[in-house]
Amino acid sequence: QQPVQSPQAVILREGEDAVINCSSSKALYSVHWYRQKHGEAPVFLMILLKGGEQKGHDKISASFNEKKQQSSLYLTASQLSYSGTYFCGTDEGIGDYKLSFGAGTTVTVRA
Amino acid sequence: DAGVTQSPTHLIKTRGQHVTLRCSPISGHKSVSWYQQVLGQGPQFIFQYYEKEERGRGNFPDRFSARQFPNYSSELNVNALLLGDSALYLCASSLTGNQPQHFGDGTRLSIL
Repeated sequence: QQPVQSPQAVILREGEDAVINCSSSKALYSVHWYRQKHGEAPVFLMILLKGGEQKGHDKISASFNEKKQQSSLYLTASQLSYSGTYFCGTDEGIGDYKLSFGAGTTVTVRA
Repeated sequence: DAGVTQSPTHLIKTRGQHVTLRCSPISGHKSVSWYQQVLGQGPQFIFQYYEKEERGRGNFPDRFSARQFPNYSSELNVNALLLGDSALYLCASSLTGNQPQHFGDGTRLSIL
């Protein structure tokens, strides 16, 4: 089952912060975050396993609330290079492997 | 090191035809997954292969099939093409199943 992402789109000025949410109605084993720029392939950002750990990569970090089956991606002090569409992918970890992606959140960072 | 490579980059077919898409994973990666991405949507999972065995299948009709070869490269086959099959087909490789996916640039398939 596909996770639900919110918001659908966000516009930021350089230096502003944003939060992207990803929620599932199913119990999750892991959450993956990817960024896709127009005309390019999705690029892996980070993976979070159940256990509620928070990860960070430069000024982009994420958390995973196992009890709520929700993950959030935090963009801090946004840069122009952060523009793109962010996708969360969820894996229930039951039986066969299947990564389900949300519809994406388009982030536009303006100077 | 070379990333995930897919061929061809673009393909135009007509309804009812058959198509084969190819993918070479990153060296050392044993898992290959296929996704369909329609404009404006997230990638939709089609198949995952690990060690030449199918380990996951998405909600796609039997017209879609795939296989993985001993060198871990993979093919996605689609029979009896429909207009709705027009999409970007992405291949991703990873060390094992539940690991970060490294995507190729995709094959843009257009059905006329």
